[in-house]
Amino acid sequence: GEDVEQSLFLSVREGDSSVINCTYTDSSSTYLYWYKQEPGAGLQLLTYIFSNMDMKQDQRLTVLLNKKDKHLSLRIADTQTGDSAIYFCAEKSGNTPLVFGKGTRLSVIA
Amino acid sequence: AAGVIQSPRHLIKEKRETATLKCYPIPRHDTVYWYQQGPGQDPQFLISFYEKMQSDKGSIPDRFSAQQFSDYHSELNMSSLELGDSALYFCASSAYRGGEQFFGPGTRLTVL
Repeated sequence: GEDVEQSLFLSVREGDSSVINCTYTDSSSTYLYWYKQEPGAGLQLLTYIFSNMDMKQDQRLTVLLNKKDKHLSLRIADTQTGDSAIYFCAEKSGNTPLVFGKGTRLSVIA
Repeated sequence: AAGVIQSPRHLIKEKRETATLKCYPIPRHDTVYWYQQGPGQDPQFLISFYEKMQSDKGSIPDRFSAQQFSDYHSELNMSSLELGDSALYFCASSAYRGGEQFFGPGTRLTVL
């Protein structure tokens, strides 16, 4: 079945860039998503990328997709303390439900 | 903009009791998904509905059932609750089957 993997923890200093990585196994994935979850809160869709794209930029967020290596990354520029959260990578192909990674806990040190 | 509404936000039940969770999708969204997120876990897909019909089924226990009503809201019915059912239950909706999923705030179920 499909599998999505992420590193569990990332710690950065305020003002630095954060890069959260994700790998997936389903070569038929058509959509790849990044969700943010703050403590005790719901899942906030941050951004997504279609599988035929290499890069997508949205303000401080940059998503890079290496389809050959099935590697997805989320770069957060000028990381702020408010960015501290768990970031989930998720993929789906066509109409299938989302498959999530385990989430990366980002800690921002002031 | 209107978001996905879930009720209740918190629910405490005893073992072997039943629970009903409700989800109101974003207006004009016809597809609803249910996910379960255990403590420290990633969300796991349970079941989805498109145009009031079940469209996909994931790791939903037989003790659970769900349906989507004519106004597109959905209810997740959980019976014979077990301690392991304690989790955050998310509902998501999309404007069409396969579209972007927007999540509700979740219902935190605690089974004692």
